[in-house]
Amino acid sequence: AQSVTQPDIHITVSEGASLELRCNYSYGATPYLFWYVQSPGQGLQLLLKYFSGDTLVQGIKGFEAEFKRSQSSFNLRKPSVHWSDAAEYFCAVRGGGSNYKLTFGKGTLLTVNP
Amino acid sequence: SAVISQKPSRDICQRGTSLTIQCQVDSQVTMMFWYRQQPGQSLTLIATANQGSEATYESGFVIDKFPISRPNLTFSTLTVSNMSPEDSSIYLCSVVGDNEKLFFGSGTQLSVL
Repeated sequence: AQSVTQPDIHITVSEGASLELRCNYSYGATPYLFWYVQSPGQGLQLLLKYFSGDTLVQGIKGFEAEFKRSQSSFNLRKPSVHWSDAAEYFCAVRGGGSNYKLTFGKGTLLTVNP
Repeated sequence: SAVISQKPSRDICQRGTSLTIQCQVDSQVTMMFWYRQQPGQSLTLIATANQGSEATYESGFVIDKFPISRPNLTFSTLTVSNMSPEDSSIYLCSVVGDNEKLFFGSGTQLSVL
């Protein structure tokens, strides 16, 4: 069974500081990995995805994530956080092919201090 | 990217009643999904709804409680039946868009009193 662990429930950073949100997954084969962001009262917006190829993927809003198979990780990073990045971030995994079921982590709430 | 509209955006309902949530997509899609996000929790898949066939429910979810309709390739409804306070959640529909990306609607925030 596939699963996702986001070890950090809540992270606080100062505006302009760098950010790394951790994500570990469990999946028997090569996973499809995603990061979504959810702002208060909003749906989920896809930040980036990894299917194959280059293990460092670029997303929207200046985010990037690196797939490390040996560590079963897919951590999200941003070099300089903006106040508007305050939101909840979800890592998700699914299998390939026609298996579109997403398994989500519990999320990491990001607070940005001025 | 697919544009997904959900109605209602929020509702407050009485115990024992039912609520039908609508999901409209701006393009034809084969597969649609319904997720539930309980307060402070992550998202859990309720069911997969393909046009022209019965919805496929995940473990812990049953058709009598969450009947789903999928009359065409751009529309689906999820009904939450005989509601109890435990059904208070955000319900989101999702579709597979271009390049196998999954897009989500803005959700329906349901509170059951």
